[in-house]
Amino acid sequence: AQTVTQSQPEMSVQEAETVTLSCTYDTSENNYYLFWYKQPPSRQMILVIRQEAYKQQNATENRFSVNFQKAAKSFSLKISDSQLGDTAMYFCAFTFQGAQKLVFGQGTRLTINP
Amino acid sequence: EAGVAQSPRYKIIEKRQSVAFWCNPISGHATLYWYQQILGQGPKLLIQFQNNGVVDDSQLPKDRFSAERLKGVDSTLKIQPAKLEDSAVYLCASSLERGRQFFGPGTRLTVL
Repeated sequence: AQTVTQSQPEMSVQEAETVTLSCTYDTSENNYYLFWYKQPPSRQMILVIRQEAYKQQNATENRFSVNFQKAAKSFSLKISDSQLGDTAMYFCAFTFQGAQKLVFGQGTRLTINP
Repeated sequence: EAGVAQSPRYKIIEKRQSVAFWCNPISGHATLYWYQQILGQGPKLLIQFQNNGVVDDSQLPKDRFSAERLKGVDSTLKIQPAKLEDSAVYLCASSLERGRQFFGPGTRLTVL
């Protein structure tokens, strides 16, 4: 079975600081994809960043980057120069080739303080 | 490009009543998903459609939940009869085949 674990229920940092959210996953699949989604209070799930497992290079999207450690089955999200608008629930998610459905972790509530 | 539309945004019902949610995916998206998100948890897939056929409904409580996707476009998710534990946000998402999923704003259901 595929599982995703986020061990940090809540995190809080000051604006402009860097914060790292942790995620581990378990799968026997070889071809899979990992995602970080942001869910603000509006409930709209927004894709932050995506990583293909076959790619060794870590994905980056502006202030967002990941540290993908395939052997350790770890996929952490780093947010640099955090902004008030980054305040949201963050979900790590996984899918494997052929399945398409997303398996989500429990989420980390991130608060950026002014 | 219009996003995934869902209605209603909020619904409050009493237990044992029935309720239906509607989803209109992004035009041209063949795959449609319904997820259930219980408060404090990540979303869990209830059912996945490819056009108007069911791909995965392994976690759909079929004794009370049903879903259909007529003509491979809009979809409705129904609960009958509702239980207290069905209180959750119901998220609809759509994608091109094997593509990125786009989510709707969700319907928050409260069962009293």
